[in-house]
Amino acid sequence: GAVVSQHPSWVICKSGTSVKIECRSLDFQATTMFWYRQFPKQSLMLMATSNEGSKATYEQGVEKDKFLINHASLTLSTLTVTSAHPEDSSFYICSAREDGNEQFFGPGTRLTVL
Amino acid sequence: QKEVEQDPGPLSVPEGAIVSLNCTYSNSAFQYFMWYRQYSRKGPELLMYTYSSGNKEDGRFTAQVDKSSKYISLFIRDSQPSDSATYLCAIPKAAGNKLTFGGGTRVLVKP
Repeated sequence: GAVVSQHPSWVICKSGTSVKIECRSLDFQATTMFWYRQFPKQSLMLMATSNEGSKATYEQGVEKDKFLINHASLTLSTLTVTSAHPEDSSFYICSAREDGNEQFFGPGTRLTVL
Repeated sequence: QKEVEQDPGPLSVPEGAIVSLNCTYSNSAFQYFMWYRQYSRKGPELLMYTYSSGNKEDGRFTAQVDKSSKYISLFIRDSQPSDSATYLCAIPKAAGNKLTFGGGTRVLVKP
């Protein structure tokens, strides 16, 4: 099956710093990637949708200047949490999709902001 | 009203029992219905998807859709401790395949 990786799997940072999370589709070309956030014991909430080579589309209530998304190639999308604060601590999950096919999810990145 | 609602559980069953999971949805236009399994601190993995009303079976898993009631179910037969996970229903919106997830039901199968 299709494999999606994320790096890092776990990151701790100080308040005010920026953190970059990578999402890669390993064996297929992902025309669309999705970024989700999941708080403990809660469901996945879609943050944004990114298509290769174009600007990401953010869901209502998600600050695009705080959560920078880049989808520069068909196998890589990055999410940068800028000026992170403790309330940004969460589990960030990406998914990737070829045209018309199902979404394949990455293993997630746990972000802890001190 | 949330678009997709799911009982959070936890649901604790003995090994070998049938696990019954349910979701309700609000938009009668929804056509596809999916069930994902998520182990702790991992990404979700797709278990099953259905397109129409009725039943769909895959091994020990059966997905059921009742569009008239806007109600979807997942049954796990002969449950195993390895089935212990959170199960999420998900419905793709028509445009762009964006998924709306239910809140997830945590299942614990005790040996």
